[in-house]
Amino acid sequence: EAGVAQSPRYKIIEKRQSVAFWCNPISGHATLYWYQQILGQGPKLLIQFQNNGVVDDSQLPKDRFSAERLKGVDSTLKIQPAKLEDSAVYLCASSLEAVGQYFGPGTRLTVT
Amino acid sequence: GNSVTQMEGPVTLSEEAFLTINCTYTATGYPSLFWYVQYPGEGLQLLLKATKADDKGSNKGFEATYRKETTSFHLEKGSVQVSDSAVYFCALSQYGNNRLAFGKGNQVVVIP
Repeated sequence: EAGVAQSPRYKIIEKRQSVAFWCNPISGHATLYWYQQILGQGPKLLIQFQNNGVVDDSQLPKDRFSAERLKGVDSTLKIQPAKLEDSAVYLCASSLEAVGQYFGPGTRLTVT
Repeated sequence: GNSVTQMEGPVTLSEEAFLTINCTYTATGYPSLFWYVQYPGEGLQLLLKATKADDKGSNKGFEATYRKETTSFHLEKGSVQVSDSAVYFCALSQYGNNRLAFGKGNQVVVIP
């Protein structure tokens, strides 16, 4: 089966610009996650969707980050405006069962 | 809250050596435990998991046993190969919500 797809793979922007990332989960996976992975650290959960509803967005910086999952399938994560400290890899994951998540390749964002 | 602690620093070892990466956790109740591996330039891949005490997860020659008495889930492999060079993350999820909390990861470098 096809894995989790993400695009773009790499993005370089200047601070205060906006950027959007796209994720297509594994077919049939109801739960979708976005993580932020700063260099040298483990991934940190930003937001969790169950179908098209938000389950947990407690660690999402809502003043600049937003995410949506229309129709309960694809999802986009947006940052506006970007800051230098947003430089990281943004990982999307999906799951079907109660245990275990499958990750996409990630989008590496560099903010200059 | 839930947290995962991995041993500090990268691990460098020779091919065919024995690998151990320590992982301890703090959680309420009975979490599920995971090891994820991240190869250079790729997303995280689930390596193995254990969902209850005394379970042993295994995959690709790697093993880890869920030890509730010591709150540990140490990763071991008897004979590493150069292709095992990667970053290894220990993680847990609380029963019922599937949200992952990750450790900081350990870089493993296997020298021929």
